[in-house]
Amino acid sequence: DVKVTQSSRYLVKRTGEKVFLECVQDMDHENMFWYRQDPGLGLRLIYFSYDVKMKEKGDIPEGYSVSREKKERFSLILESASTNQTSMYLCASTLGAPKAEAFFGQGTRLTVV
Amino acid sequence: AQTVTQSQPEMSVQEAETVTLSCTYDTSESNYYLFWYKQPPSRQMILVIRQEAYKQQNATENRFSVNFQKAAKSFSLKISDSQLGDTAMYFCAFISYNFNKFYFGSGTKLNVKP
Repeated sequence: DVKVTQSSRYLVKRTGEKVFLECVQDMDHENMFWYRQDPGLGLRLIYFSYDVKMKEKGDIPEGYSVSREKKERFSLILESASTNQTSMYLCASTLGAPKAEAFFGQGTRLTVV
Repeated sequence: AQTVTQSQPEMSVQEAETVTLSCTYDTSESNYYLFWYKQPPSRQMILVIRQEAYKQQNATENRFSVNFQKAAKSFSLKISDSQLGDTAMYFCAFISYNFNKFYFGSGTKLNVKP
């Protein structure tokens, strides 16, 4: 079974802190994604990566950056956390097409106070 | 840009009955994949069903089936014989064959009542 593991299930941080959310997958997938999930808005893509050190902005990249130094690990960084970044964050990974199915981590519920 | 629209924020169904969740999408691509994912209260996203756009036959997985209308860009999910364990958020998702961005709808919260 594919496993996508996010480092924390719940996280509370203070405004202005630098926050790291880690995601690790164990199936050698090329593509990895970070989404934030908010009620009524569904999943919105923040960043994705299609290879080591390669990244592309999604729909809402402002206030976030990412790092992918190794194929299995994709980190989301909140440079200076703000209260409007309180959300659920989901990491996903996938092989390329045609096996395009995405596998998800269990989510990190981040609260910025 | 691709968009995915789910117009039903919340739906209810009695146990053992059938329910249909709607999804429309917008794309200029000809080859792509469509998915329905389920997110129960545990928050773990689970793949329910997948449809390749080049296949005319609608996908089915046990009690779950889709009605894929490519020309209308519509992709609805039918759940037959609803069970209490089907209670969850359901997300429709799109991915283009040549790109690796997944786009998701806003979700439909399904409540199955005993």
